[in-house]
Amino acid sequence: AQSVAQPEDQVNVAEGNPLTVKCTYSVSGNPYLFWYVQYPNRGLQFLLKYITGDNLVKGSYGFEAEFNKSQTSFHLKKPSALVSDSALYFCAVRAYGNNRLAFGKGNQVVVIP
Amino acid sequence: DSGVTQTPKHLITATGQRVTLRCSPRSGDLSVYWYQQSLDQGLQFLIQYYNGEERAKGNILERFSAQQFPDLHSELNLSSLELGDSALYFCASSVDGTGGAGELFFGEGSRLTVL
Repeated sequence: AQSVAQPEDQVNVAEGNPLTVKCTYSVSGNPYLFWYVQYPNRGLQFLLKYITGDNLVKGSYGFEAEFNKSQTSFHLKKPSALVSDSALYFCAVRAYGNNRLAFGKGNQVVVIP
Repeated sequence: DSGVTQTPKHLITATGQRVTLRCSPRSGDLSVYWYQQSLDQGLQFLIQYYNGEERAKGNILERFSAQQFPDLHSELNLSSLELGDSALYFCASSVDGTGGAGELFFGEGSRLTVL
């Protein structure tokens, strides 16, 4: 089985401050890990993914994520949040060879001007 | 624009009815996934097709069925609709359908309201 936990329902951050959205995963074997963002009434947009190699992955719109195997975590980060980053963020995991991509419940990020 | 097209965008129907949601994947993508998004259940994987064949099945009800046609578009059929089926239904596509590292590209979704 594979699953993702996003422990916080909502993350509030002031504009210009660092943004962190937490994600832990459970999977048998090695994981592929993904972050997606969803704006209101829109589909999910791909931000970044971890396959192998460097634990720090850089993605779209200034986002990055750090893979930590020992803590089974893949936290999403942005050094300086923008109001336009306010959205719903999903972490997802897929085990090698598994067709299913399992999503977490999502985190609502609110960036306060 | 992800390149994945879903129709209709909105659909309102009554309990007991049947609807069909349609998805056209990105050009070149062989794999199509269907997800259901609701407030209480989050994003739930329903089913995946790869080049016309079913590859993975998730939490899909027996009242629901799907298929992928030779031109690679897919349809999700929902029958005997219940109030609880009201949700946003997403289609996604990817090049890979064998559990590789490829990301999914999502359509804008079809919002189903069952009254």
